[in-house]
Amino acid sequence: EVQLVESGGVVVQPGGSLRLSCAASGFTFDDYVMYWVRLAPGKGLEWVSLISWNGNTTYYADSVKGRFTISRDNRKDSLYLQMNSLRTEDTALYYCAKGPYRKMVRGVSPDYWGQGTLVTVSS
Amino acid sequence: QSVLTQPPSASGTPGQRVTISCSGSTSNIGNNFVYWYQQFPGTAPKVLIYRNVQRPSGVPDRFSASKSGTSASLAISGLRSEDEAEYSCAAWDDSLSGPVFGGGTKLTVL
Repeated sequence: EVQLVESGGVVVQPGGSLRLSCAASGFTFDDYVMYWVRLAPGKGLEWVSLISWNGNTTYYADSVKGRFTISRDNRKDSLYLQMNSLRTEDTALYYCAKGPYRKMVRGVSPDYWGQGTLVTVSS
Repeated sequence: QSVLTQPPSASGTPGQRVTISCSGSTSNIGNNFVYWYQQFPGTAPKVLIYRNVQRPSGVPDRFSASKSGTSASLAISGLRSEDEAEYSCAAWDDSLSGPVFGGGTKLTVL
């Protein structure tokens, strides 16, 4: 059974930093693209970033480019999101999600999702 | 403002058929697969439809989908109270190099 468990969400002040983690199990982690997707209060799902199975390719939404960094450790079956220069508009539930096909990066959307971890940016 | 456009709400009575629309552009729905997700409050999104019309095992055949050009739709027939949830569409966007989502449609079973 695929399981994705996010952690690291807390309350942080504007301008602060935070690192989210996602522990994966139930599938061959290093075969699949991984995503971070967020859900802000009163809004729809918003893709944040993705990383290819081998970590060589990363993409970011314009809203986080230059501030967030996605990474993965395939030895630990773990995904990370380093969040710097946080803004109030980054307040959201952050989901870790898995790509649907082995070695495929473009053209698809997530299949399995975690339960999310809550990030609140507030003074 | 979400890249894909969905109605914010939809409703129906038990047994009815309801449809939820999702509108995009050639850079997303027009050239890539559409996915549909179901989400209950406090839980993770669950994929209902993948590759435009395919249902994962375990998803009832009451759920169906279609795609035409830059639009897609999800249909739920034989509506049940347990179908009351948020439904979101998604598709890869070639210009943004990432998946884009609709704003979500809250389905109410009256």
